[in-house]
Amino acid sequence: GQQLNQSPQSMFIQEGEDVSMNCTSSSIFNTWLWYKQDPGEGPVLLIALYKAGELTSNGRLTAQFGITRKDSFLNISASIPSDVGIYFCAGRGGATNKLIFGTGTLLAVQP
Amino acid sequence: GAVVSQHPSWVICKSGTSVKIECRSLDFQATTMFWYRQFPKQSLMLMATSNEGSKATYEQGVEKDKFLINHASLTLSTLTVTSAHPEDSSFYICSARQDSSTEAFFGQGTRLTVV
Repeated sequence: GQQLNQSPQSMFIQEGEDVSMNCTSSSIFNTWLWYKQDPGEGPVLLIALYKAGELTSNGRLTAQFGITRKDSFLNISASIPSDVGIYFCAGRGGATNKLIFGTGTLLAVQP
Repeated sequence: GAVVSQHPSWVICKSGTSVKIECRSLDFQATTMFWYRQFPKQSLMLMATSNEGSKATYEQGVEKDKFLINHASLTLSTLTVTSAHPEDSSFYICSARQDSSTEAFFGQGTRLTVV
């Protein structure tokens, strides 16, 4: 099935550092979602974006819906150990309007 | 947020047997439920979409006779993996949404191991 290109694939950072990850698609989306998945658990929705150019924050997390509607990024500021996990972007749009997931970014935070 | 619960959390079964996984929306009525499969270190891949009271819509490459989906009520959908084989071992995750104007909430997933 179709997947979004998400980068980086993994990140190993020190506590307190800022993190940035992004997703790109060849298709236009009308919705971008960002999820966090802990090991052995289902994804949890972090931020939802519905308009091109929209910039939304959720605590230390900030995400933006790209102007071209083909990309989105997620920033995490001042990372803490509990930020560890896999972050997935997901886009929805096109004829099927189905949610398509990115390839994921594994984040490791060293105290 | 809304709660979606899957049962069991993990299951081990013998090759050739069938396994049923339940997905329940605990505090809302879900008109649509989705079933995903996630292999280790990979992303979530949509298997099928089920609307309450109607037949599920399967994604290309997903065998509907092998992965039976029932969505008989607004709070329960089941996925039955029939004649399971080791290659069916995976993490199966459901999500449920109240209506098309809301985002779906995910269950905690079910780890299936076929031996």
